[in-house]
Amino acid sequence: EAGVAQSPRYKIIEKRQSVAFWCNPISGHATLYWYQQILGQGPKLLIQFQNNGVVDDSQLPKDRFSAERLKGVDSTLKIQPAKLEDSAVYLCASSPEPRLQYFGPGTRLTVL
Amino acid sequence: AQSVAQPEDQVNVAEGNPLTVKCTYSVSGNPYLFWYVQYPNRGLQFLLKYITGDNLVKGSYGFEAEFNKSQTSFHLKKPSALVSDSALYFCAVRDPEYYGNNRLAFGKGNQVVVIP
Repeated sequence: EAGVAQSPRYKIIEKRQSVAFWCNPISGHATLYWYQQILGQGPKLLIQFQNNGVVDDSQLPKDRFSAERLKGVDSTLKIQPAKLEDSAVYLCASSPEPRLQYFGPGTRLTVL
Repeated sequence: AQSVAQPEDQVNVAEGNPLTVKCTYSVSGNPYLFWYVQYPNRGLQFLLKYITGDNLVKGSYGFEAEFNKSQTSFHLKKPSALVSDSALYFCAVRDPEYYGNNRLAFGKGNQVVVIP
């Protein structure tokens, strides 16, 4: 079974630039999550989708972050404009049922 | 709100010795508890979970964890550590009373270093 795919794996941008990350969940998984993992901390949920609908985006900084999952499969997370404190690893996860999540390798973002 | 505490930043253990990584939690109801491991430049890998049933849960790679409701703990253990167990370990909790939300609250992680 193929795992959760993410791209790019690494991204370096300057502050105030825009960036987008892509996630392809495991086939058949209805639930998709985006997490932000800042160095030295555990992952923090940014947004959760159930199919193409948003279940929880209470911790998403909506003034600069946006995410979509238009067809209920792939998802993109965008930051516009980026700040220095956005430097982190962005993890995508998917789950077939509420009690287990499978994580992708993550995208490491560095904002200079 | 649900939360997890992993009190130690780093755990050092000699190869072949028992390994314990501590985790305590706080939820309003009965928790769902998880352990994940993260190797450098890799995503989180699931190790084991406690939902209900036996307090001792066995997982991948010889790891196990014991749910202790009175102490609100879910410590990860391995009887004999390997050098390849060196990684970052995260404890996570989900509060099933929070209907419609599968949000996991993660601890800050513990770096485990197994010394040859």
